[in-house]
Amino acid sequence: KAGVTQTPRYLIKTRGQQVTLSCSPISGHRSVSWYQQTPGQGLQFLFEYFSETQRNKGNFPGRFSGRQFSNSRSEMNVSTLELGDSALYLCASSTGQGGTQYFGPGTRLLVL
Amino acid sequence: QKEVEQNSGPLSVPEGAIASLNCTYSDRGSQSFFWYRQYSGKSPELIMFIYSNGDKEDGRFTAQLNKASQYVSLLIRDSQPSDSATYLCAVNLGDFGNEKLTFGTGTRLTIIP
Repeated sequence: KAGVTQTPRYLIKTRGQQVTLSCSPISGHRSVSWYQQTPGQGLQFLFEYFSETQRNKGNFPGRFSGRQFSNSRSEMNVSTLELGDSALYLCASSTGQGGTQYFGPGTRLLVL
Repeated sequence: QKEVEQNSGPLSVPEGAIASLNCTYSDRGSQSFFWYRQYSGKSPELIMFIYSNGDKEDGRFTAQLNKASQYVSLLIRDSQPSDSATYLCAVNLGDFGNEKLTFGTGTRLTIIP
């Protein structure tokens, strides 16, 4: 079974721009969660989508948004990028029943 | 108090010895506990999960859970240089509909040949 895939793997943007990241979950998984990882803050939960609905949300500003499509693929959007948004963005998929989450390879975003 | 706490290390262990990694959590409602391994520049990889009090063994790895003490640990027996990585403890409420994982900051483990 194919694992979680994320595109693109690397991105360089400038302050004020916006960015869209994509995540394809493991086949059969309906839940996609997004996390931000930085050296200072570690891994922090952004939000989770299940059956095209945002079901859980972390403590991030409204500039961070997401959506999920009917095939369970998910996108995350960050608008008005700030230098502090430079991070590794990870998505994880699961069945959505409070079980194990499996991570994709991540998208490394650098904001200049 | 942080929700999930781990000793950041680095923890250095000789090859062949037992590495012991510890994690405490604050939410007594937590039901599911996970250990992930993360190599530098890579994404977290699931090592083990545990839901019930006691020990759970998988090969060289043993997870231990004590809900009364709000403590979970990971033992790695016969440590190998390839075990050198950061180990992340993660916790969630385990409810249907609650997928949020809360992570510790990780323990950096180095196995010395």
